[in-house]
Amino acid sequence: AQSVTQLGSHVSVSEGALVLLRCNYSSSVPPYLFWYVQYPNQGLQLLLKYTSAATLVKGINGFEAEFKKSETSFHLTKPSAHMSDAAEYFCAVSEGYNTDKLIFGTGTRLQVFP
Amino acid sequence: NAGVTQTPKFQVLKTGQSMTLQCAQDMNHEYMSWYRQDPGMGLRLIHYSVGAGITDQGEVPNGYNVSRSTTEDFPLRLLSAAPSQTSVYFCASSSLLLLAGEFEQFFGPGTRLTVL
Repeated sequence: AQSVTQLGSHVSVSEGALVLLRCNYSSSVPPYLFWYVQYPNQGLQLLLKYTSAATLVKGINGFEAEFKKSETSFHLTKPSAHMSDAAEYFCAVSEGYNTDKLIFGTGTRLQVFP
Repeated sequence: NAGVTQTPKFQVLKTGQSMTLQCAQDMNHEYMSWYRQDPGMGLRLIHYSVGAGITDQGEVPNGYNVSRSTTEDFPLRLLSAAPSQTSVYFCASSSLLLLAGEFEQFFGPGTRLTVL
């Protein structure tokens, strides 16, 4: 069964610094990988998704993620953090090829300090 | 399109009371699901449906019932609320286009439920 691990429940960066949020999936390559963002008191919004078309995926708000099969990773990065990036970020994988079921990580809360 | 809508936004129940969380989508999506979000645990799947008349259990189904009589609606019922069901509940929908590469799961704004 698929599983997702997000290392670090809280990450703090200064405004303008690099953002790196880590996500590792279980050993079998999932069909799709996703990053979602949740702003306070809101639902989840899709940031980006990997669908095997390209290993480097660009998303909204300047975020990108790279799929690395050798490391079973799909880390999320942004070169320069902005105050508005403060939110909770979830990595998710599709359970299989024949289903829309998603398996979510436990989330990483990003704080951005001025 | 309104997308995925959920009502109510907030609810307080007493232990043993019942209630239904409403979810509707206007995107003609086949797949709908309910998640609960608890601190430090991410989102956990409660129940899901791949079309009208078809439902199945997710990771944490106990204490919850669902039905899917129409494509648009997917209500979640708590028959006898317990404090352990205090959580934020999200409904989501998608179009079963996984293989087409167009897959995106859309989420509602959530219902914050407190059971006393």
